[in-house]
Formats: sequence, C-alpha cells, structure tokens
Amino acid sequence: EPEVTQTPSHQVTQMGQEVILRCVPISNHLYFYWYRQILGQKVEFLVSFYNNEISEKSEIFDDQFSVERPDGSNFTLKIRSTKLEDSAMYFCASSIRDRGPEAFFGQGTRLTVV
Amino acid sequence: AQSVTQPDIHITVSEGASLELRCNYSYGATPYLFWYVQSPGQGLQLLLKYFSGDTLVQGIKGFEAEFKRSQSSFNLRKPSVHWSDAAEYFCAVGARTGANNLFFGTGTRLTVIP
Repeated sequence: EPEVTQTPSHQVTQMGQEVILRCVPISNHLYFYWYRQILGQKVEFLVSFYNNEISEKSEIFDDQFSVERPDGSNFTLKIRSTKLEDSAMYFCASSIRDRGPEAFFGQGTRLTVV
Repeated sequence: AQSVTQPDIHITVSEGASLELRCNYSYGATPYLFWYVQSPGQGLQLLLKYFSGDTLVQGIKGFEAEFKRSQSSFNLRKPSVHWSDAAEYFCAVGARTGANNLFFGTGTRLTVIP
C-alpha cells in the first residue's frame, strides 16, 4: 500500500539554526500539506501546496517557514531560524483532490529545538 | 469560523466494553468528516470518513461513525474494544470546496484496561 514517508523521524537542533524536514508524498497525489502538533495539543494546519505553489497557509506559517518541491518527488518544509516554540511533531500529508480532501499522513518528524 | 469539538479529553474503558467518542463541529455547510487514530509514537491513520450518502459509515478495525446533521455530530463507536485500541483519536473536518486543509479537534485519549 502506498504511503507518505518522512525523514528524519526525530531531529534535534539548536535555536536559531535552519532545519529542513523532508517528505515523499504518494506518487499520484496532487496536493501536499504540512501540519504540526505541539506536544499535548491538537494537530494544526500549516500550509498546502498544489501545482508548485502554496495554495493555502495558516497564520502559523510566517516568513520563517517555506516549502518546496525540488525534484518532483520530495516535498520539504524549511524553518529558517528555529525557535523553542517550533518544537513539535511535523506531519506531511498528501491527497487527490477528486476524492475530497482525504489526506494520507506520514509518520511525522519530531523536531526538538534546544 | 470552523471548529471541531471533542469534549472528552480522556476516556477509560474495559477491554470488551463498548466505546463512543464524541465529535461536534461548527461549519458553514456540511463538511467532509474524518476520524484519525494516532498510536503512541506513530503518525495519523485514517479510520473512516463521511463524504455523502449513508450516514452510518464503517471503518477499519471494527469502528463505525454516525453523521447526524441535526446535531452537527460525527461520533465514533466500537461495540467491543480491544487493548490495541488504546490511542489518541482525532476528529477532523474538511471543506467541500475551496481550501483543502483539515481542521482537527483536540483529540480524545483512550485507555483500555484489562
């Protein structure tokens, strides 16, 4: 069964450093997403990406964040200068629009900013 | 504004007992409705979804959910809980048009006792 894969599973970084979280969506999916879940809180939408551009973003997704689909298979989330409050589980997801917004999620990357 | 309410933060049931997890939503129109499960240290797995048609939907692992438009609810049920069902359960909604992202509830943690 096809699945969304994310790497790394856990990343520890120092405050102020740049991090790149990587995702390989399901190959025939057209929409890509990043969500995050701060420990003990609900899953929150960050950004959606379609046709090589951002289609929606939340207020969380400020100038410190960027997304890219560099090679047609990977989908990355970059945090330019990490803050302590960026510590969270980051989930990548993908979907096919014509099925409705049924998103398939990856296993997540736990980001710890120290 | 869209919102998803899961009023029960934590539920404990005995193995073999029945289970009902509540979910209420506030949305401009009937959205797509989903239940996801997150086992410890794992990602989000789709349990079931409602798009249209029969308001009682069947999912994986013996779960079902009933959409009640009049109550804006989408409660998850299972007739007999197994110890492996212990996890965090998230209700989510998505728009039928426009933005393709999901809005999640705060989750209900299920503990199963022998």
